[in-house]
Formats: sequence, C-alpha cells, structure tokens
Amino acid sequence: KAGVTQTPRYLIKTRGQQVTLSCSPISGHRSVSWYQQTPGQGLQFLFEYFSETQRNKGNFPGRFSGRQFSNSRSEMNVSTLELGDSALYLCASSPGGVYQETQYFGPGTRLLVL
Amino acid sequence: GESVGLHLPTLSVQEGDNSIINCAYSNSASDYFIWYKQESGKGPQFIIDIRSNMDKRQGQRVTVLLNKTVKHLSLQIAATQPGDSAVYFCAEALDTGRRALTFGSGTRLQVQP
Repeated sequence: KAGVTQTPRYLIKTRGQQVTLSCSPISGHRSVSWYQQTPGQGLQFLFEYFSETQRNKGNFPGRFSGRQFSNSRSEMNVSTLELGDSALYLCASSPGGVYQETQYFGPGTRLLVL
Repeated sequence: GESVGLHLPTLSVQEGDNSIINCAYSNSASDYFIWYKQESGKGPQFIIDIRSNMDKRQGQRVTVLLNKTVKHLSLQIAATQPGDSAVYFCAEALDTGRRALTFGSGTRLQVQP
C-alpha cells in the first residue's frame, strides 16, 4: 500500500497570507490527524477528521482549520499567517476504529513564513 | 532540513551495542503508547506500540517496556546499527475522549560506526 502523501512538500509565504495543505491517507484509512512540529514546542496535535467530520481539536487558534472529503483526503488551512506558524506540518492516518490505533505519518509540509 | 528540537538529550552508542531510550509519560490514564523514529527531513516512522494492559512487547530488534507504576516507557534496540541514528519520540493516547497523540520531547540516538 502507498503511504500517507502530503503536498506540497515545501512552501514559502509572507505574513498575512493564507495557505492550504493537502493530505492523502493510506488507502482504507478513514481518520486523518494533523500535527504541527516546531523546535520549540515539539509535536502538537491540531485536529482529527473522521468521516468528513472534525472529531477532535487541539489548542490552536481559529486561524487553523481543516476539512475532509468523502474519499478521506484532508486539507488544512491557515489564514492570516504569522511568523510563528513556520513549522513542519504533519498528517497522519489510521483506520478510524473505536480504540486508539497506530497513526502513520506522511513526510510533512515544511512551511516558512517570512 | 532540521525538524526537531535543538536541545534534545542525546544517546551515543557504538554500532553493535544495545540502546535503551527512556520516556516519562504524563497521563496515568493513557491507554496506548507508541514509539516513533524520525530522521532528518522526514515524518515520524512507526516502530512499535503497546497497550496499557501489557508491560512488554517485542518486535524485530526492538522491545518496549511499560511501567505504569512510575509512568515510564522504554525502547530497547538490540545490536544498534548506523541506520538507527535518528530522533526517537514516545507518544501516549487515550482510547476515549480526545484521540490525539501526546508526544514527548524526543531523544537523539547517535550510532558510532
């Protein structure tokens, strides 16, 4: 099976702009989670989508949003970019069962905000 | 590109030795624990997981030990190889409620040939 794919791999934006990142989960996986990784804060949970619905949300401002499509692909959007949004954004997929399962990560999208 | 913390604890071992990476987790109610390996410029790669009703689980060259009494998790890597050099993260999660992984800060493993 193909792994989790994320596009684009690299992005450079300026403050105030918005950005959309895309994630395609492993075939058959219905849960997609997004994480932000920075040197200072480490890996932090943004949100999880399952069956096109946001099932869980982390402690990030409303500028961070996401959605999931019927084919389980997911996008996340960051509006009004700030310098502190520079990070590696990781997407992870899992089957989406009742209990916690292994989450498989994609390679990430590296976002640089200037 | 660098994608992990600049001041991570580092474990340096010789090729062929066994490595033990430790992790203190935060939530005594966590049901599920997982170890990931992250190489520079890549996403975290699954190594091994364990549920809270177990205290040991073995994989290929790796063993995870869970001590719920002291909220401690360890990853043992047998016969460490240069390809094992990476940052290792432990993560914990609940089965119910907020189904998000909470990650530790990571340990850098350096394998000397």
